[in-house]
Amino acid sequence: DAGITQSPRYKITETGRQVTLMCHQTWSHSYMFWYRQDLGHGLRLIYYSAAADITDKGEVPDGYVVSRSKTENFPLTLESATRSQTSVYFCASSVGEGSEQYFGPGTRLTVT
Amino acid sequence: QKEVEQNSGPLSVPEGAIASLNCTYSDRVSQSFFWYRQYSGKSPELIMSIYSNGDKEDGRFTAQLNKASQYVSLLIRDSQPSDSATYLCAVGTIGGYQKVTFGTGTKLQVIP
Repeated sequence: DAGITQSPRYKITETGRQVTLMCHQTWSHSYMFWYRQDLGHGLRLIYYSAAADITDKGEVPDGYVVSRSKTENFPLTLESATRSQTSVYFCASSVGEGSEQYFGPGTRLTVT
Repeated sequence: QKEVEQNSGPLSVPEGAIASLNCTYSDRVSQSFFWYRQYSGKSPELIMSIYSNGDKEDGRFTAQLNKASQYVSLLIRDSQPSDSATYLCAVGTIGGYQKVTFGTGTKLQVIP
């Protein structure tokens, strides 16, 4: 049972390029989340999804796009990467609102 | 804005001692409370969930919740060097976009 996986684990890209971070979970959890973690800020919610085809903005959504056509996948796209988007990105899933969240291993993204 | 406050530390304790980690939250209607452990360079790992006032014990870990004081704590008995990590407090609610709000974490150092 793989649980929740993210790919790639490490990514270096240039300013202005489009980047997609992938997230896949095998638990059939309804909720999925994208966070970024930066020193001094902790975990900040970018977007979340309550079910397939239902997504909503979190605390820091600007510059990011998400989709969820299947329950198990929740990709995060940076449409035009900026240096301020250099961060560690975590995907998480949970069975319901306000429930325990389980995190993927993270993607370390560097924008040069 | 829902807030979860933690002392950033580092909190240093000798091996074998009790480590006490504290967290306060601002949203009175919060219903679920979690402690995560995050090793450096790794993703957050859920270690405790608590939903009712009082204590909940799991091995060397005890979570304590006081909703009236809006306070949740984590006690680690017989602390080991392997417990050295950052501990994130998280608070969940039903409704609103921020289903679970994370604190910025307390860094724990267990000195051999």
